[in-house]
Amino acid sequence: RKEVEQDPGPFNVPEGATVAFNCTYSNSASQSFFWYRQDCRKEPKLLMSVYSSGNEDGRFTAQLNRASQYISLLIRDSKLSDSATYLCVVKMADRGSTLGRLYFGRGTQLTVWP
Amino acid sequence: ETGVTQTPRHLVMGMTNKKSLKCEQHLGHNAMYWYKQSAKKPLELMFVYSLEERVENNSVPSRFSPECPNSSHLFLHLHTLQPEDSALYLCASSQDLVGSVLAYEQYFGPGTRLTVT
Repeated sequence: RKEVEQDPGPFNVPEGATVAFNCTYSNSASQSFFWYRQDCRKEPKLLMSVYSSGNEDGRFTAQLNRASQYISLLIRDSKLSDSATYLCVVKMADRGSTLGRLYFGRGTQLTVWP
Repeated sequence: ETGVTQTPRHLVMGMTNKKSLKCEQHLGHNAMYWYKQSAKKPLELMFVYSLEERVENNSVPSRFSPECPNSSHLFLHLHTLQPEDSALYLCASSQDLVGSVLAYEQYFGPGTRLTVT
């Protein structure tokens, strides 16, 4: 089983739509969670961290469900500029080590059309 | 605009060639990383450096050889690559290593798109 799994999509939605992505992770001891955004032929950039209580940043809402080991990203009122690949990222600590690693999902592709 | 630069942006090389990828970060970060991104696959962590010391090597073939001469520069030396090594190679940096408690944001460079013929 992969450490982080995402539906690759693509999701094609009209402007103004609400779209949600889910991501599951394998390690119940995972500690930190993030969504990164990667535009076509560009590098990934941090979109937002995901906190246990859920958090919102403008049109973006992130949720964490530790019991079911999944995180979600909700985008409201989609804009054309939201078209990108959204990467689910999970930090897991190596056993017996103080170091952790980021594990990336393969990404979910979103296209917002006018 | 990015604090992490990579050169070259595109590279085509034969299987017998030797080339090097260069990464430079202007953010004063202590940790640097090499990732490989292949089509339809998640980012794969290759190497991790902290303060110029390699702290992780994820079973990467020896045809990839990293070098970190100082905390701002990271190289990936390539030799006798295979066609399946064709991918986007991304360099990233973070303030410090991803720890057991803290996870610092990673800033990525634009990548080098490598094609092995």
